[in-house]
Amino acid sequence: DAGITQSPRYKITETGRQVTLMCHQTWSHSYMFWYRQDLGHGLRLIYYSAAADITDKGEVPDGYVVSRSKTENFPLTLESATRSQTSVYFCASSPAWGGYNEQFFGPGTRLTVL
Amino acid sequence: AQSVTQLDSQVPVFEEAPVELRCNYSSSVSVYLFWYVQYPNQGLQLLLKYLSGSTLVKGINGFEAEFNKSQTSFHLRKPSVHISDTAEYFCAVSEKNNNDMRFGAGTRLTVKP
Repeated sequence: DAGITQSPRYKITETGRQVTLMCHQTWSHSYMFWYRQDLGHGLRLIYYSAAADITDKGEVPDGYVVSRSKTENFPLTLESATRSQTSVYFCASSPAWGGYNEQFFGPGTRLTVL
Repeated sequence: AQSVTQLDSQVPVFEEAPVELRCNYSSSVSVYLFWYVQYPNQGLQLLLKYLSGSTLVKGINGFEAEFNKSQTSFHLRKPSVHISDTAEYFCAVSEKNNNDMRFGAGTRLTVKP
């Protein structure tokens, strides 16, 4: 089925380890986004991408790395995980530039850093 | 940058009662406004959005919201809620000159029988 998928859905890791969260969309949307969701903060933008090989920082980018070699994939890497990165991570996509565009969200990845 | 305040973190309500979830925003330019809903263990999905025109916006599942520019508000309402409306609701704002969407902290709506 078409849509946006994330993997894994749940991940437990240890402090200092590298972990990559995957995001895949089948709509060929230009824009993709990574958010983290924390109690009391709602969703905060980590990184976004306007197209393949074009990425930019969001509100809370420190400690994260992204890449986008193909339009449909937008992996998020925590190079050295910390406990403060325990969160639920959502990937989203949008068809075009413009704040009027709806964003379509994946089901989320719940990450626990011990 | 724009910001969003959702005034209630939790709203309990009985089934078939009306509900209003409050949202205020701050921005120095014109904005677009959104309400998203998140059911347990799922991603967010769009309920409704205000882009321009009529200030009363109707969305899915019987929800509606009213844009009030003078009060910088975009409150969400439903005249009669169902158990199935139990979810987390997020208000979001984006400015007309960029693609940066900011979300509120969310309001957990619990509908009781």
